[in-house]
Amino acid sequence: DAMVIQNPRYQVTQFGKPVTLSCSQTLNHNVMYWYQQKSSQAPKLLFHYYDKDFNNEADTPDNFQSRRPNTSFCFLDIRSPGLGDAAMYLCATSRDRTGASTDTQYFGPGTRLTVL
Amino acid sequence: RKEVEQDPGPFNVPEGATVAFNCTYSNSASQSFFWYRQDCRKEPKLLMSVYSSGNEDGRFTAQLNRASQYISLLIRDSKLSDSATYLCVVNFGNTGGFKTIFGAGTRLFVKA
Repeated sequence: DAMVIQNPRYQVTQFGKPVTLSCSQTLNHNVMYWYQQKSSQAPKLLFHYYDKDFNNEADTPDNFQSRRPNTSFCFLDIRSPGLGDAAMYLCATSRDRTGASTDTQYFGPGTRLTVL
Repeated sequence: RKEVEQDPGPFNVPEGATVAFNCTYSNSASQSFFWYRQDCRKEPKLLMSVYSSGNEDGRFTAQLNRASQYISLLIRDSKLSDSATYLCVVNFGNTGGFKTIFGAGTRLFVKA
């Protein structure tokens, strides 16, 4: 059974048209993450929620926002997508913050975003 | 210098070969280490955690060298199904926050 679910799996949007990507989890994990991964590059952490506490990475553009209305769901909002935002967006969860523990991250299948 | 560095490869090996990947990290305060596997156009999946004492899971052996700040992954008796990108992941954290850093991955092609 899928534990981290992302919808849609493929998203096509127009330049400048807002888009929302969805992630849900059945693991009841405290932490949810959003990563951006471009071809042949490492996943790049955009931000994460520890419960309701939002933690933005310093170099994440303002164009990217996130919401976590409850434990199970987390959304990534791209307010004005540019061509450079075309990428795979990965959602992940972990039971606790992984910095100081051996907790691993469980990834969803990703949403591939195309910007026309 | 990147915080986590890997040889991008690709490594092209025949079935049955033994192949080893290294990953170096720059932050000496790094606390936990993992190898993930990522197939083409799929999400990363945990392959194994890496412990100071080294650990083995079937054909896979992971080792950590804190003094030299690198981790390694050894794959014995390579299978065609081992073809994938292997990502090194390093976590470190403190009261000010934490970071998870992925390496860019090492591509492995196992050929018949």
